[in-house]
Amino acid sequence: DTAVSQTPKYLVTQMGNDKSIKCEQNLGHDTMYWYKQDSKKFLKIMFSYNNKELIINETVPNRFSPKSPDKAHLNLHINSLELGDSAVYFCASSQDRAGVETQYFGPGTRLLVL
Amino acid sequence: AQTVTQSQPEMSVQEAETVTLSCTYDTSESNYYLFWYKQPPSRQMILVIRQEAYKQQNATENRFSVNFQKAAKSFSLKISDSQLGDTAMYFCAFMKHVAGANSKLTFGKGITLSVRP
Repeated sequence: DTAVSQTPKYLVTQMGNDKSIKCEQNLGHDTMYWYKQDSKKFLKIMFSYNNKELIINETVPNRFSPKSPDKAHLNLHINSLELGDSAVYFCASSQDRAGVETQYFGPGTRLLVL
Repeated sequence: AQTVTQSQPEMSVQEAETVTLSCTYDTSESNYYLFWYKQPPSRQMILVIRQEAYKQQNATENRFSVNFQKAAKSFSLKISDSQLGDTAMYFCAFMKHVAGANSKLTFGKGITLSVRP
């Protein structure tokens, strides 16, 4: 009964490859997010989607392309991976309703680019 | 733009004692939310407590409570009766109230808390 799940949990790949990370939430939320946590543990928003529509795109290189097939899923595809993409990527979800905006996070995906 | 500052990189506390983690923020918004998230070694981000800026009463959740000083833009977390399982990194986060799903979390750098047996 995991609320927000991500696959895979670990991803090791070579520079230049293309990879995807999948996220699913079963909370019935209508908004989903991607955050990046760098090697210094700093967390920063990348994208948000509301009902499959892109809302926030926070100056992320266009090698990163989020896709939301439905409001329960938000996937992150990364093209031409670079060393600097190594990080932990967190998916989160929330219900866009006044007064109830807490974001619930998935377990994270640790990406290592060699 | 909003900023969140956690100036203490790490703290240590004896089991069963009380510890306070500091957080300050800067914003020109009047309607916003503040959060503390916990990240144990498992890496999972776990919500500890949240505070709505319009509420004067400080939020409490069991052993966790906050001291919210809106004028001073301060939001500290107090952990009472510390337990070994409280060992984690703690992040303070800010979110302005925006309709239409444009509500991103702005995080501080985090503080590493170690609970000693």
